[in-house]
Amino acid sequence: EPEVTQTPSHQVTQMGQEVILRCVPISNHLYFYWYRQILGQKVEFLVSFYNNEISEKSEIFDDQFSVERPDGSNFTLKIRSTKLEDSAMYFCASSRGTLAYEQYFGPGTRLTVT
Amino acid sequence: QKEVEQNSGPLSVPEGAIASLNCTYSDRGSQSFFWYRQYSGKSPELIMSIYSNGDKEDGRFTAQLNKASQYVSLLIRDSQPSDSATYLCAVKGDKLIFGTGTRLQVFP
Repeated sequence: EPEVTQTPSHQVTQMGQEVILRCVPISNHLYFYWYRQILGQKVEFLVSFYNNEISEKSEIFDDQFSVERPDGSNFTLKIRSTKLEDSAMYFCASSRGTLAYEQYFGPGTRLTVT
Repeated sequence: QKEVEQNSGPLSVPEGAIASLNCTYSDRGSQSFFWYRQYSGKSPELIMSIYSNGDKEDGRFTAQLNKASQYVSLLIRDSQPSDSATYLCAVKGDKLIFGTGTRLQVFP
């Protein structure tokens, strides 16, 4: 069964450094998403991406964040200058369509900012 | 602010019993409703989706939706210890919004 994959599983970085989190969505899916979950808190939407552009973003997704689909399979989240409060699990998800379609989540990347 | 509310639990049920998980949402324009299961340290795993009023059954799981009351529920029949996890209600309007989750504990 096709799955969303994410790399790395754990990333440790120093405050102020740039990080890139990588995802490979399910191959026939067209919509891609990033979510984050701070330890002990709820899963929060960051951004959705369709047809090579952002379709929705939350107030969390400020200028420090960007997303890209650099090739036909990868979908990346870049954080330009990490802060301590960016420490969280970051989940990538994908879906075939938008409204009445299920989103399937990858295993996540645990980002630790020191 | 669009909200999804769940009782954080824990909800403790004996093995073999029915577990009932509830969720309310604030956005009347929401179109799609999902239940995810999340084990500690893992990612959300989709277990049910429901789009229209009424019940939807899949194995031991039944999702119920009442749009007039803005209420979604999940019933787990014949609960097993392996069902012990946090159950996340998620509601989609323009984006998918998650509740904080209900922790379910199934004891032998």
